[in-house]
Amino acid sequence: QSALTQPASVSGSPGQSITISCTGTSSDIGRYNYVSWYQQHPGRAPKLMIYDVSNRPSGVSNRFSGSKSGNTASLTISGLQAEDEADYYCNSFGSSSTLYVFGTGTKVTVL
Amino acid sequence: QLQLQESGPGLVKPSETLSLTCTVSGGSISSNIYYWGWIRQPPGKGLEWIGTIYYSGSTYFNPSLKSRVAISVDTSKNQFSLNLSSVTAADTAVYYCAREPRGIYPYYYYYMDVWGTGTTVTVSS
Repeated sequence: QSALTQPASVSGSPGQSITISCTGTSSDIGRYNYVSWYQQHPGRAPKLMIYDVSNRPSGVSNRFSGSKSGNTASLTISGLQAEDEADYYCNSFGSSSTLYVFGTGTKVTVL
Repeated sequence: QLQLQESGPGLVKPSETLSLTCTVSGGSISSNIYYWGWIRQPPGKGLEWIGTIYYSGSTYFNPSLKSRVAISVDTSKNQFSLNLSSVTAADTAVYYCAREPRGIYPYYYYYMDVWGTGTTVTVSS
């Protein structure tokens, strides 16, 4: 199963909204509502930001939201802040044998 | 507060076996609603799922690594371990362990909610 496709980079100014796309296939994102998103600052472990397409874990800012349409999932960050500058990875359930497929990763830059 | 901590050699020779252990503290590895996984990240690259284990010993592996990977669990020590055989320079990476909530039928989940800090493994002679 191939990695999910994300844009290499996305940028925005403080206060703006940005959206990161994550494109899979009808066998993963298109078939299951098990999409999650992770934020990773340099030298740090990934942090869960969204699970089950659009659910936020306790403690994650409501500026982060997720959605899905067809084979593409999206993460939107509203009211962009300097601390949001990080790498973001999407992930989807793949199958009963390939449980997880990660995205290629997107570097978010706050201008 | 659940914590996971990876441990093991930071340097492994080519063709040898990489062995890492993840110690779980602040919670039981024997919970029936959690699975436990290994993920790695080569320098400057993205995340790659390696495999997952349930406390009963059931395992799931990335097909691209399946022939070289073994994951085991020791419930008495609240630990689970990764063995990756016949390593090459391509296996140089930061290795993370993580908790995977799974839920109970029919309410399943597939994500990693608690991660270890990661441990760097370099494959070099």
